[in-house]
Amino acid sequence: DIQMTQSPSSLSASVGDRVTIPCRASQAISDLLAWYQQKPGKPPKLLIFSASTLQSGVPSRFSASGVGTDFTLTISSLQPEDVGTYYCQKYFTVPLTFGGGTKVEIK
Amino acid sequence: DVHLLQSGGGLVQPGGSLKLSCEASGFTFSKYGMSWVRQAPGKGLEWVAGISDSGGGTYYADSVKGRFTISRDNSKNTLSLQMKGLGVGDTAIYFCAKDGVGPYPSYLDHWGLGALVTVSS
Repeated sequence: DIQMTQSPSSLSASVGDRVTIPCRASQAISDLLAWYQQKPGKPPKLLIFSASTLQSGVPSRFSASGVGTDFTLTISSLQPEDVGTYYCQKYFTVPLTFGGGTKVEIK
Repeated sequence: DVHLLQSGGGLVQPGGSLKLSCEASGFTFSKYGMSWVRQAPGKGLEWVAGISDSGGGTYYADSVKGRFTISRDNSKNTLSLQMKGLGVGDTAIYFCAKDGVGPYPSYLDHWGLGALVTVSS
């Protein structure tokens, strides 16, 4: 099975900072990658699919890139409401593996 | 609007069984694959099982294969997860989720609020 790795598991940044969150697949997965944001006590929310396509309604400060094995989610200007845990997930083949998550906090 | 209304969580003893349900509305249920994803307390997300739009294809994580059964009733817009042989390691919030595009498997664009399953004596 393909493993998805997210490191670091947490990061702290100031409001207005540019934040990048990496995700690595153990094998090439083309662009079959999604990103989710989860706030405490809530279900995950889809942010990005096809590695770089912004889901409808998601603020434009979120962007993503990558293909193959290395992917990145970027928040161009961190806002207080962006606090939460971010997960990458590969799809199209089972299992639909998630990365371990990166928790984003405000410094 | 898409809505996924979950029911069926609760406390169950080790070795016991429990059935989760997810009632869908706001989209053509029979055209999308569906999944169950769980989250143990304080942990990350784990995909558990998935089912194709017609129900003809079912898929399981190794951790639940042979114990859990995913099914759907397209006439009632309902997804189910029958869980048997539950162990303490199955304690988690279970989310149902909708595929973003057909055919299964896909990214998950809508999620239920979750149902807590606690396995304890």
